[in-house]
Amino acid sequence: KAGVTQTPRYLIKTRGQQVTLSCSPISGHRSVSWYQQTPGQGLQFLFEYFSETQRNKGNFPGRFSGRQFSNSRSEMNVSTLELGDSALYLCASKGLAASSYNEQFFGPGTRLTVL
Amino acid sequence: AQSVTQLGSHVSVSEGALVLLRCNYSSSVPPYLFWYVQYPNQGLQLLLKYTTGATLVKGINGFEAEFKKSETSFHLTKPSAHMSDAAEYFCAVSDLGNQGGKLIFGQGTELSVKP
Repeated sequence: KAGVTQTPRYLIKTRGQQVTLSCSPISGHRSVSWYQQTPGQGLQFLFEYFSETQRNKGNFPGRFSGRQFSNSRSEMNVSTLELGDSALYLCASKGLAASSYNEQFFGPGTRLTVL
Repeated sequence: AQSVTQLGSHVSVSEGALVLLRCNYSSSVPPYLFWYVQYPNQGLQLLLKYTTGATLVKGINGFEAEFKKSETSFHLTKPSAHMSDAAEYFCAVSDLGNQGGKLIFGQGTELSVKP
């Protein structure tokens, strides 16, 4: 079974631009979560989508948004990029069997650099 | 609210020595706990998890962890370190709210293995 895939793997943008990151979960998984990883703040939860609905949201500004499609693929968007948005963005998927204890499987991440 | 503290941001051991990475958690409900490993430029790989039942949990690559409720700890151990174990390790607790759930991570411990 293929794992979680994320595209692109690396991205360089300039301040003020916007960016869209993509995540394909493990086949059959309907929950997709996004995390931001930075050296200073560590791993922080952004949001979770299940069946095309956001059901959990972390403490990030409205510039960070996401969506999920009917095939469970998810995208996250960051508008008006700031230097501090430079980070590794990780996507994780979760199956129904593991949902009761929240076991999540992570993709390789998208490394975003904002110049 | 749940939280995780990893004692020691950096641990160095010699090849063949015992690996001990410390994790303490705070949770108002019975916790579900995880250890993940991250190799450079990669995502997070699940090493092991504690949900219910046996408090000594065995994972991949020879790692194991023991859940101690009285000490609110979930330390990760491996009897004999290999060079390939050099990576960053994250302890996480599950926060199951609002039907979904997020993982709350510790700050990570970087493990170095000396030849």
